[in-house]
Amino acid sequence: DTGVSQDPRHKITKRGQNVTFRCDPISEHNRLYWYRQTLGQGPEFLTYFQNEAQLEKSRLLSDRFSAERPKGSFSTLEIQRTEQGDSAMYLCASSNRGGEKLFFGSGTQLSVL
Amino acid sequence: GDSVTQMEGPVTLSEEAFLTINCTYTATGYPSLFWYVQYPGEGLQLLLKATKADDKGSNKGFEATYRKETTSFHLEKGSVQVSDSAVYFCALRSNTNAGKSTFGDGTTLTVKP
Repeated sequence: DTGVSQDPRHKITKRGQNVTFRCDPISEHNRLYWYRQTLGQGPEFLTYFQNEAQLEKSRLLSDRFSAERPKGSFSTLEIQRTEQGDSAMYLCASSNRGGEKLFFGSGTQLSVL
Repeated sequence: GDSVTQMEGPVTLSEEAFLTINCTYTATGYPSLFWYVQYPGEGLQLLLKATKADDKGSNKGFEATYRKETTSFHLEKGSVQVSDSAVYFCALRSNTNAGKSTFGDGTTLTVKP
């Protein structure tokens, strides 16, 4: 069990650029989640997958955000035309089918200048 | 919608002091309740959970009891250590929406020797 890994750890970009983050879940977990966390707040749900199917998207996820999980393994989260308000920590988590316990990665810290 | 309200921090205690961090929730149905902890420089990890009313979750000397009548899940520890310094997040997962967990804003605990 190597845990949930996220790449990159930090990303600095200019407003208007596109960014993509990657998450590799624990291998036997079929559920994968994306959350966003800003300073002083708890994680906010963005979306989740069961295997390759994206089952729910938060209203927070504007049409500039897209997430994929091809083949039900790793996942990518893309933000197009980044805005300064997108600056946050993007967290990935995975769980088994029961989903009771979330295993979190260390996150990708995005800074939009 | 679902929501979690935590006691505001930061909380500063001396070693061996008693800890209580309050957490109340609003949810439809019968949620599962969780406490997650984030140690400095690390990702969130599950500390304890309770899945039904009157259940007590416990781990590493921490305890929390699921109180349906008061919609609360307060975290307690009888004698804190310096190593307990971290940010603590209360969370719920609704049984009507198994994919999404809702988190409180976190309470920062600092324990001084």
